[in-house]
Amino acid sequence: ELTQPPSVSVSPGQTARIPCSGDALPKRYAYWYQQKSGQAPVLVIYEDNKQPSGIPERFSGSSSGTVATLTISGAQVEDEADYYCYSADSNGNHWVFGGGTKLTVL
Amino acid sequence: EVQLVESGGGLVQPGGSLRLSCAASGFTFPRHWMSWVRQAPGKGLEWVANIKEDESEKYYADSVRGRFTVSRDNAKNSLYLQMSSLRAEDTAVYYCARGTLFWDVQSGKWYRGGGGVDYWGQGTLVSVSS
Repeated sequence: ELTQPPSVSVSPGQTARIPCSGDALPKRYAYWYQQKSGQAPVLVIYEDNKQPSGIPERFSGSSSGTVATLTISGAQVEDEADYYCYSADSNGNHWVFGGGTKLTVL
Repeated sequence: EVQLVESGGGLVQPGGSLRLSCAASGFTFPRHWMSWVRQAPGKGLEWVANIKEDESEKYYADSVRGRFTVSRDNAKNSLYLQMSSLRAEDTAVYYCARGTLFWDVQSGKWYRGGGGVDYWGQGTLVSVSS
């Protein structure tokens, strides 16, 4: 199971941090997806801290112990979305999403 | 350009069956693990199933194991999800997603990496209701 806060709110230009906690995270990578209303999810961070091409540099990730964190430095209004963490169980064969965090930037 | 296009969704009665398809293009489909993920209306994402490149490994969420079967046809660049004994709680948008794949310059081989997914289709809606 992966646990995320239901909501995070920041003002434009501030740093938003979204934590994701899970017992298997010390052994498994975390992935982060952004989903805007009515759209398919988009990968923003993979393998804890790697950035896919085309994703703005303000998106970064880290992981320490049982907590992975998505950080949006200088959040912008267009970053408003639901964000989901994703990882595998200790065996690596069954996967789970966090409950999702609604980011509000206003 | 990577494209994943799901089809086959629709309205089905409880206890019924449905087969979803996902047509892949823009990448070498036979090299990638593939996944199905669903999202109930107004709810979060839920992993459903994973399938290895050669179908030798398949994994399912507890909520669908024994009722859903994932398969693929590498010659047709297609992924499938056969759903049976459908319940109201299976109502969701179903997405297919591509597993990550990386090139290791040193070994000269492709490798899966951490096992997550990178590209998603736009989804197909399955509604289970009488």
